[in-house]
Amino acid sequence: GAVVSQHPSWVICKSGTSVKIECRSLDFQATTMFWYRQFPKQSLMLMATSNEGSKATYEQGVEKDKFLINHASLTLSTLTVTSAHPEDSSFYICSASLRIGEQYFGPGTRLTVT
Amino acid sequence: AQSVAQPEDQVNVAEGNPLTVKCTYSVSGNPYLFWYVQYPNRGLQFLLKYITGDNLVKGSYGFEAEFNKSQTSFHLKKPSALVSDSALYFCAVRPQDSSYKLIFGSGTRLLVRP
Repeated sequence: GAVVSQHPSWVICKSGTSVKIECRSLDFQATTMFWYRQFPKQSLMLMATSNEGSKATYEQGVEKDKFLINHASLTLSTLTVTSAHPEDSSFYICSASLRIGEQYFGPGTRLTVT
Repeated sequence: AQSVAQPEDQVNVAEGNPLTVKCTYSVSGNPYLFWYVQYPNRGLQFLLKYITGDNLVKGSYGFEAEFNKSQTSFHLKKPSALVSDSALYFCAVRPQDSSYKLIFGSGTRLLVRP
């Protein structure tokens, strides 16, 4: 139980284009979903917290107009990287919260912007 | 500021030997504590958590962790390491006053040699 999927698992896009990443909780309804970014050999950096039906809460320094988050339902959240640039290349991981403090993580999406 | 420290970038251990991955934290109140493992190009997998009760917590794959309030530590342990345990391990803390957010340590790479 408590499985979270992400799609796509990897994506290559050209600079200036937009990319959408989906995060789904497959067998539970998630109160909250989180989006993280991970640079090589580094820890996870929380980008934003997403609650179904409301606007996402972004962490300091994260551009909300660049990283659009839509939490359409209790099982789906999407992250859209708009006008992507090479510096946006990274490993993006989502998680979904089922119980207090417990987060279940997706397998991650590797984005490469050329 | 609230933080989590994993003082070792890498831990090397021979297969069959016990292993310890260290974690200390600095947060207010009584936090929830977690350990996650990450394999290459994958998301994080939940290992174990401490919320309350017995200080020794048992988790997945034979791992356990000991909560020490006076030392504000939550070290991960396993009596006998396997080569397949080689991965990146993250300690995370959810402060008591947090709205589900997790604070991650920098990660420790565990290398188990045959």
